Parts: sequence; C-alpha cells; structure tokens
Amino acid sequence: DVKVTQSSRYLVKRTGEKVFLECVQDMDHENMFWYRQDPGLGLRLIYFSYDVKMKEKGDIPEGYSVSREKKERFSLILESASTNQTSMYLCASSYRGTGELFFGEGSRLTVL
Amino acid sequence: ILNVEQSPQSLHVQEGDSTNFTCSFPSSNFYALHWYRWETAKSPEALFVMTLNGDEKKKGRISATLNTKEGYSYLYIKGSQPEDSATYLCAFMGYNNNDMRFGAGTRLTVKP
Repeated sequence: DVKVTQSSRYLVKRTGEKVFLECVQDMDHENMFWYRQDPGLGLRLIYFSYDVKMKEKGDIPEGYSVSREKKERFSLILESASTNQTSMYLCASSYRGTGELFFGEGSRLTVL
Repeated sequence: ILNVEQSPQSLHVQEGDSTNFTCSFPSSNFYALHWYRWETAKSPEALFVMTLNGDEKKKGRISATLNTKEGYSYLYIKGSQPEDSATYLCAFMGYNNNDMRFGAGTRLTVKP
C-alpha cells in the first residue's frame, strides 16, 4: 500500500516558536508538495520540490521554508510561528509528469 | 498566481439526483487536469487525471469531460448516493509540470 506519512496529526504551538512538519513517502516519487487548507480557500501551494535539494516557491511561501535532503522526506519549517499560520497542512507526492498526487492525512496546527 | 475556479461552492441534492460541477482553468500552458474527492477526516484521493482535449473519463457513476481550448472541465455524478458526500477538488498542472494548483472545491451533500 502506497503511503505518505505526516509526522503529527495535531500540534499546538505558541507564537514565535519554531515548528517542523515532516512528511515521508515510500513510493520513490520525485515530486513532493506542501499545501495549506483553509475554509473557502481550498488547497494553496506553499512550496514544492521536484528533486533532492531542489525547491520552488508556491503561491504563499512567506513565513515558511522547506528542506529536502533525502528523496523520501520533505520538511516544512515555520521559523517563527504566527497565529495566521493556524491551518491544516497537507503533504503530497507524485511521480514526475502528469501523475496523480498521493496525500498524507494532514497536520492540524494551532498557533496560540 | 494561476486561477483555478470551481463552481458551485456547495451543493445539496437528494439521493438519486444527478449533479455536475465545473472547473475552469487557464487555457494556455495546459499540461493536465486532475479531479480529487476529499471525504471528511480522510486524505484527498484522485478520481481522474486528464490530459487530452475532448477527453472523457468514467469511474462507476462518476464521469468527467475536458475542454482545454476553452479551459474548463465538468464532473458528473449520476444517481447521487449519501456516500458521494465529499468535497470535489480540481487541480491544474501547467506545462512546467512540476507544480499543481487547486481550486477551492465544491462541497457536495447528498441527503438520504
């Protein structure tokens, strides 16, 4: 069974804390993505990576950074969490080309 | 930012009704169009990956069509069932084929 695993389903952090969201896939996919989902706004792309150590900004990269040191792992980092980063974060992966995305179960982050 | 628009935002139908939703996307630079179903408390799952103008795909009671020249896709559900209740997302992939942009989704509720 193919799998995308996100490290935490629920997190509560304080404003200013550094937050790491980890995503691991076992399908040898080249592409990996981080999205956030907010009511009425759908999935908005934060960053994506099409290869190890490669990254590209999506539509809303401000306040986030990413790391892809190994093919199977894509980390999203909030250097200094703010309340407007309270959201559901979804990781996904796919083969290069038109391949479908496989999603993790999501990480719901609350920043107080 | 690429604009992917979905309508309607939400839809309530009775069991047995047939229904359809629309996804519009940029007609230039097209590479692929995906449809996903996202049930509450689960991860989004791919329904269709469409690449060719005029393409029509079917999975059980659900089908989709694609018009890349005018930039729209329709998703049809025949004889809706309560288990079809979910948010239906479309996603546009541009020709650089490394990123994917989602619409805000159509939330379908099917009443028994």
